[in-house]
Amino acid sequence: QSALTQPPSASGSPGQSVTISCTGTSSDVGGYNYVSWYQHHAGKAPKLMIYEVSKRPSGVPDRFSGSKSGNTASLTVSGLQAEDEADYYCSSQAATTFYVFGSGTKVTVL
Amino acid sequence: EVQLVESGGGLVQPGGSLRLSCVASGFSFSNYEMNWVRQAPGKGLEWVSYITSSSSSTFYAESVRGRFTISRDNAKNSLYLQMNSLRDDDTALYYCAREKAAVGGDALDIWGQGTMVTVSS
Repeated sequence: QSALTQPPSASGSPGQSVTISCTGTSSDVGGYNYVSWYQHHAGKAPKLMIYEVSKRPSGVPDRFSGSKSGNTASLTVSGLQAEDEADYYCSSQAATTFYVFGSGTKVTVL
Repeated sequence: EVQLVESGGGLVQPGGSLRLSCVASGFSFSNYEMNWVRQAPGKGLEWVSYITSSSSSTFYAESVRGRFTISRDNAKNSLYLQMNSLRDDDTALYYCAREKAAVGGDALDIWGQGTMVTVSS
């Protein structure tokens, strides 16, 4: 099972929006509504930001939103803040495995 | 506070064995499915293994199947990963993670901070 494809980096100024794509196949992203997104600050535990494509866990700001079209899922961070600078990983349930993760995107707040 | 704390990592020679532990607190551990996920240095996340709340079913990534064994002790609020026949490419930070819902592959809502496993001669 190959990793989902994410851009290596994304950036934006404070207050701007950034969107991260996550491209898979019909055997993972396109075939399931179990797409999730994780924020990971180095040295800390990853944090669930979005689950089931577009749902936010309690405590996650509504600046974070998720969507999916075909085999590509997206995470949008609106109103960028300094603390949003982190690595972001998408994940999807897949036909041959419980979870397949994306390659990760480093978000930089300029 | 809901928390997962891993331990047991270290330096081991190729072909060796290691047992990782993860202790849960702040929630009813016996009600949740659990996973192990790893991250090799400079790489992305890789799902390793899953176990149901009652230990009735276990699943593994192809890369570790036959070498790793996941288990749990609900009385001790603990999750384990027995790793045998370790290879260089098993070098990674190993996280335990809670399954959000009783549907494997939905989402992982609580993660530990990880324990490092280094396989090297």
